[in-house]
Amino acid sequence: SSDLTQDPAVSVALGQTVRITCQGDSLRTYFASWYQQKAGQAPILVIYGNDNRPSGIPDRFSGSRSGHTASLTITETQAEDEGVYYCNSRDSSGNLGVFGGGTKLTVL
Amino acid sequence: QVQLQESGPGLLKPSETLSLTCTVSGGSIDSHYWSWIRQPPGKGLEWIGYKYYSGFANYNASLKSRVSISIGTSRTKFTLKLTSVTAADTAVYFCAREIPQYDVRGFLSGTAFDIWGQGTRVTVSS
Repeated sequence: SSDLTQDPAVSVALGQTVRITCQGDSLRTYFASWYQQKAGQAPILVIYGNDNRPSGIPDRFSGSRSGHTASLTITETQAEDEGVYYCNSRDSSGNLGVFGGGTKLTVL
Repeated sequence: QVQLQESGPGLLKPSETLSLTCTVSGGSIDSHYWSWIRQPPGKGLEWIGYKYYSGFANYNASLKSRVSISIGTSRTKFTLKLTSVTAADTAVYFCAREIPQYDVRGFLSGTAFDIWGQGTRVTVSS
């Protein structure tokens, strides 16, 4: 299967913890990466290899995987974390890329 | 550090061929995958395809008959070509560097798009 499924939207109170999930059969085999996109901007990588954080990404961002579900967790969520978050991986063949549909995060 | 910049026409007519170039500055195309991703207005990201630095390419199955990605001889540019465009190809097009990760056996275990261009808007309209 090549599909990655995300909830369309999630909200979190300022300073609280939120988890965004991504489901897909290929995630059992291939790592997930996560991207934050703000309006009018290019996406930026926030997690790669399921649970690795690029330099410059705050440590309140973390990732994990269990079975066919990858998760992005943001602790002590800030107003600046609002945006759309996309997961990405390879399909089950490992040859083709695939993105989830995106989760719009609103910070209340 | 490596930076990417897309360039190309912003407006095309239906049935024309879209050609976009991504210029790599601060480095060259001597490793990794070099990819194109697009985003239709108000929608999510769609993977278009990649060209590995050493030559092979793979494309989204839904676009495979119309798309090609090539690397220039200078190895500082790579190009997307999409033939027979329609209004459905209207989108912001991003180029990106895709870095692979391998397991202990040397098999590909995942990739990530670590560097992105700012994106270029392409509209297809008669």
